[in-house]
Amino acid sequence: NAGVTQTPKFRILKIGQSMTLQCTQDMNHNYMYWYRQDPGMGLKLIYYSVGAGITDKGEVPNGYNVSRSTTEDFPLRLELAAPSQTSVYFCASSAPNQQGPEAFFGQGTRLTVV
Amino acid sequence: AQKITQTQPGMFVQEKEAVTLDCTYDTSDPSYGLFWYKQPSSGEMIFLIYQGSYDQQNATEGRYSLNFQKARKSANLVISASQLGDSAMYFCAMREIIQGAQKLVFGQGTRLTINP
Repeated sequence: NAGVTQTPKFRILKIGQSMTLQCTQDMNHNYMYWYRQDPGMGLKLIYYSVGAGITDKGEVPNGYNVSRSTTEDFPLRLELAAPSQTSVYFCASSAPNQQGPEAFFGQGTRLTVV
Repeated sequence: AQKITQTQPGMFVQEKEAVTLDCTYDTSDPSYGLFWYKQPSSGEMIFLIYQGSYDQQNATEGRYSLNFQKARKSANLVISASQLGDSAMYFCAMREIIQGAQKLVFGQGTRLTINP
């Protein structure tokens, strides 16, 4: 049982480059989330999705884009990478409350922008 | 305004002692959920315990219990008989429904260090 899978695990980008962080879940969860975690800090919500075709901004969406064409996949796109986007990125998914409260996390992607 | 506040950036505890990690929250939604996650140095997020806003009893999971005081909007994590392996970052989180969408927000975290 894979759960939530994120790729890549590590990446170094040059300023101005772009990339897509992949996230896939196999639990048929409606809700998916992208967070970033800066060193020594908590998780800040970038974008979230309540189902295929529906996405919305979180706390810190600037510089990012998302799409949700299927229930399973929720990629995060960085355009014109900046040093301020150096962080660890977590994808998570969860079911509606009545199906179990827990949010499941991927292993994280450590991104460095130089 | 902060939705989740963890006021202890770091805590140091002797092995085998009990420890309480503080968490206060702010929401106007009557239906919400509160979580604690552990993040060891390896980086993964490990679910520890959950408390629903309508749950009458405090949640317990092994050595973990959640001291839920609804009127005070606090959801403190209690770890009994701490172990060296409990050294990690601990995050309190809240799930609330905003305009039909379920959002999960996190506090800043508390770094717990267990001393032998």
